[in-house]
Amino acid sequence: NAGVTQTPKFQVLKTGQSMTLQCAQDMNHNSMYWYRQDPGMGLRLIYYSASEGTTDKGEVPNGYNVSRLNKREFSLRLESAAPSQTSVYFCASSQKTSGVSAYNEQFFGPGTRLTVL
Amino acid sequence: KNQVEQSPQSLIILEGKNCTLQCNYTVSPFSNLRWYKQDTGRGPVSLTIMTFSENTKSNGRYTATLDADTKQSSLHITASQLSDSASYICVVSTDKLIFGTGTRLQVFP
Repeated sequence: NAGVTQTPKFQVLKTGQSMTLQCAQDMNHNSMYWYRQDPGMGLRLIYYSASEGTTDKGEVPNGYNVSRLNKREFSLRLESAAPSQTSVYFCASSQKTSGVSAYNEQFFGPGTRLTVL
Repeated sequence: KNQVEQSPQSLIILEGKNCTLQCNYTVSPFSNLRWYKQDTGRGPVSLTIMTFSENTKSNGRYTATLDADTKQSSLHITASQLSDSASYICVVSTDKLIFGTGTRLQVFP
């Protein structure tokens, strides 16, 4: 089992360009999440999907959109990238969730390092 | 405001030594507390999850404690190894996950 996979690993964009970060999990988990990690700050939740067909905003959703394509895949789209979106993006999944958090372990992917010039 | 604070920010120890990392939180309502290990360039990996009623939980050489009255947790690493070099993140669960900024541990031979 690969667990949670993310593509690409690295990406450099110019301001205003768009891109989609891909995430897939093979653990048959119901819930999936997108976080960003910035220096000196804890991980912050961008969007989450409690189950297939549903998505909800997290703490910092502005400038992002998501799609829960199926149970395995959850993508994050930047429509018009800005330098403030330079960050490391992590996708995670868990078996289930009540709201956002529960006693369910979240499994994280390896991350995508995004630089916006 | 829900907050999770960790100390120290960074720590250097010699291989074989023990160390303790601290986590203080002001989160309400409290559901559970988690410790994650994050290797450089990798995603966080769960070490322990503790609920309100659990005071201590071990995972190999890692032992986490929780004092729900004082809202403090610690992660004790015994007989450190070079592979313990990583960031350790304390996460408190309420209606969402509140992440600390982590303690960067470096273990030298």
